[in-house]
Amino acid sequence: AQTVTQSQPEMSVQEAETVTLSCTYDTSESDYYLFWYKQPPSRQMILVIRQEAYKQQNATENRFSVNFQKAAKSFSLKISDSQLGDAAMYFCAYRTTSGTYKYIFGTGTRLKVLA
Amino acid sequence: DTAVSQTPKYLVTQMGNDKSIKCEQNLGHDTMYWYKQDSKKFLKIMFSYNNKELIINETVPNRFSPKSPDKAHLNLHINSLELGDSAVYFCASSPGSSYNSPLHFGNGTRLTVT
Repeated sequence: AQTVTQSQPEMSVQEAETVTLSCTYDTSESDYYLFWYKQPPSRQMILVIRQEAYKQQNATENRFSVNFQKAAKSFSLKISDSQLGDAAMYFCAYRTTSGTYKYIFGTGTRLKVLA
Repeated sequence: DTAVSQTPKYLVTQMGNDKSIKCEQNLGHDTMYWYKQDSKKFLKIMFSYNNKELIINETVPNRFSPKSPDKAHLNLHINSLELGDSAVYFCASSPGSSYNSPLHFGNGTRLTVT
């Protein structure tokens, strides 16, 4: 069974600085999809970025980018020029390509942004 | 306009009661899910339906019963509520077979059992 691990329960970053949130996963599949979600205090789940495992190029969305290392089964999220509005829980998610369409989430990292 | 809507937003009830949470999506997705988020923020899948058929049923007490009358709706009924059922319950949907599609979440229902 696939598992997703986020080893940093909490991280802090100074406003305008860069922070990297780590995520590792375990799978025997060769093709899958990875996502980062943000959950602010409003509890809404917001998609931040997605990555297809068959693509070597790292995904980028404005200030958010990933470092996808398939061999190492690592999928970290880099937030550049951090803003106060980035403060939230961040969840890494794995999407299996088997027929169950299952999304498995990590335990989350709480990001604090310091003014 | 809301893509995935669930009601109610908050639910406070006593132990032993039965309650339901409703979910509807207007995205035309084939697959719908229920996730439970506990007090430590762990998000755990409970159920998934694809075109009204149950495809994922995790180790959830049988007091929880999902029902999908059509592919746009997935409701969750909970019998004999217990203190440990207190959590935020999220409904979500996805196109199913489109692998790179993310989950689209509702805004969650905070259930408090007293």
